[in-house]
Amino acid sequence: KQEVTQIPAALSVPEGENLVLNCSFTDSAIYNLQWFRQDPGKGLTSLLLIQSSQREQTSGRLNASLDKSSGRSTLYIAASQPGDSATYLCAVFSSNTGKLIFGQGTTLQVKP
Amino acid sequence: DVKVTQSSRYLVKRTGEKVFLECVQDMDHENMFWYRQDPGLGLRLIYFSYDVKMKEKGDIPEGYSVSREKKERFSLILESASTNQTSMYLCASSLRIGLHIPETQYFGPGTRLLVL
Repeated sequence: KQEVTQIPAALSVPEGENLVLNCSFTDSAIYNLQWFRQDPGKGLTSLLLIQSSQREQTSGRLNASLDKSSGRSTLYIAASQPGDSATYLCAVFSSNTGKLIFGQGTTLQVKP
Repeated sequence: DVKVTQSSRYLVKRTGEKVFLECVQDMDHENMFWYRQDPGLGLRLIYFSYDVKMKEKGDIPEGYSVSREKKERFSLILESASTNQTSMYLCASSLRIGLHIPETQYFGPGTRLLVL
């Protein structure tokens, strides 16, 4: 059974810092991996999607990497800003089940 | 831009009531999904649909049913609401490029349901 774990569960950093959020998954049989952002009480916004054949994707200050063989992905946020404060969710699309499996998320607080 | 809308942001219902949660997407997506999100449990898939009038059970379908009469609309129905169905409900949609090729899921703003 595919399980997705995100560490740490919460993170607090000063503004301007570069930071890395981690995601691990137990089954390498995936089509893709997606990073989402969720603001309190709101829905999810897709940030980046990495296909299983890709190693990384970039969008602005965000860079996501994927190492399928080791079951790991990282989301790198450069020069963090208070507006980046949110919960970040990692999800893998399982080849075996045809479903999107979510991690529990990392709640990020960027202090001014 | 893809837009997924949900009929209510907040809803308060009584135990035993029949509850309808509506979701509409405007991008002609084939796939639509209903999730619930609970603290400590994350997002869990309730039901999904690959086409009009088609539905598939997700991981936690018990106590729920769905309806997809039109491509743009996917409804979640709680036949007899119970307190353990108090949760945040999220709808999503995606394109289906190929039969087994998943695309980005776009989420609605969520409906926070309280069952008393």
